[in-house]
Amino acid sequence: EAQVTQNPRYLITVTGKKLTVTCSQNMNHEYMSWYRQDPGLGLRQIYYSMNVEVTDKGDVPEGYKVSRKEKRNFPLILESPSPNQTSLYFCASYTQGYTEAFFGQGTRLTVV
Amino acid sequence: SQQGEEDPQALSIQEGENATMNCSYKTSINNLQWYRQNSGRGLVHLILIRSNEREKHSGRLRVTLDTSKKSSSLLITASRAADTASYFCASYNQGGKLIFGQGTELSVKP
Repeated sequence: EAQVTQNPRYLITVTGKKLTVTCSQNMNHEYMSWYRQDPGLGLRQIYYSMNVEVTDKGDVPEGYKVSRKEKRNFPLILESPSPNQTSLYFCASYTQGYTEAFFGQGTRLTVV
Repeated sequence: SQQGEEDPQALSIQEGENATMNCSYKTSINNLQWYRQNSGRGLVHLILIRSNEREKHSGRLRVTLDTSKKSSSLLITASRAADTASYFCASYNQGGKLIFGQGTELSVKP
């Protein structure tokens, strides 16, 4: 079954404690992307990757890091989380032909 | 920056009525897509319309695209309570970034 898997689904952490949200896809998609969703602001892109070892900033990259060492995985790293990073995060993947994107189920992050 | 802007931001209708949502975008596109999101869940792809198409149907969904006005609309006919969700339009920019509109929150009352 084609899917994008994010973990964890829910996370509560404290300010400054490094964390990683994992994302994995099984469709051999070239493109992967991270979004955050906040009330009234829609989905804003954090980072995206066009292929292994190729990443680029989205609209709100500050405070986040990503890596794409393997095609299937695209982890999101918060080196020093702050309360303003409390949000709902989604990972997505899609093919080079710019067709439909597949989304993970989301990670609800709370930073206290 | 948002590629698309959607209108209305919220829509409340009775079951059986039609729901129409509009999306405007800024740059040229290869295709435009619509997604659905149930509360707090992942987005699910509904329909894709290519830039050389003007209208597309899928079940109770009808999508139109007007590239001269850089706009699209999604019509859901004979709505059901289960259609209650947020709906987003999305398109790719030239770099391959998939960018979303702000979304329309649809509420269908039984």
